[in-house]
Amino acid sequence: AQSVTQPDIHITVSEGASLELRCNYSYGATPYLFWYVQSPGQGLQLLLKYFSGDTLVQGIKGFEAEFKRSQSSFNLRKPSVHWSDAAEYFCAVGAMEYGNKLVFGAGTILRVKS
Amino acid sequence: DSGVTQTPKHLITATGQRVTLRCSPRSGDLSVYWYQQSLDQGLQFLIQYYNGEERAKGNILERFSAQQFPDLHSELNLSSLELGDSALYFCASSAGLAAPYEQYFGPGTRLTVT
Repeated sequence: AQSVTQPDIHITVSEGASLELRCNYSYGATPYLFWYVQSPGQGLQLLLKYFSGDTLVQGIKGFEAEFKRSQSSFNLRKPSVHWSDAAEYFCAVGAMEYGNKLVFGAGTILRVKS
Repeated sequence: DSGVTQTPKHLITATGQRVTLRCSPRSGDLSVYWYQQSLDQGLQFLIQYYNGEERAKGNILERFSAQQFPDLHSELNLSSLELGDSALYFCASSAGLAAPYEQYFGPGTRLTVT
């Protein structure tokens, strides 16, 4: 069955430092991959997506993610974190063989210290 | 703002009661998805409608039902409510079958069952 693993429940980084949030998925073929961000009390905002092609994708708010087929990973990165990036980040996977749903990871809570 | 609207924002009700959550998709989107977010289960897919018809079903309880109306808005009905149904309920929409997984989420309805 499809599964998505975000191994880090919490991450704390200093403002201005770089960030990498990890995401691993379990699926036979290449799925559709997403990162969403949820600020406290807010809905989920789509940061970026990977369907095919260039394995490095750019998203909003200065985020990027790299798809690595050999590692079944889709890690989210940002070169310099801002205090406003503090939120919960979710990796999600979609695949036609499993219907149209998205399967979400458990989320990673990002704290930014000044 | 994703363009997906959900009402109400908050709902507090008692066990055994029935509630209806409403969702309006982004303009032009034909698919509506419902997700439940709880502390113990994370984000779980409940059900999807496409242009008025049920398209996919997830771990939706029999006490829950949904429908999509001709104007494409959707309602999620939760009955015989239990304490464990307290959660954040999200609606998402997508353009349809061409890009089924790029889902845009509403702000959610927080349901508290007392």
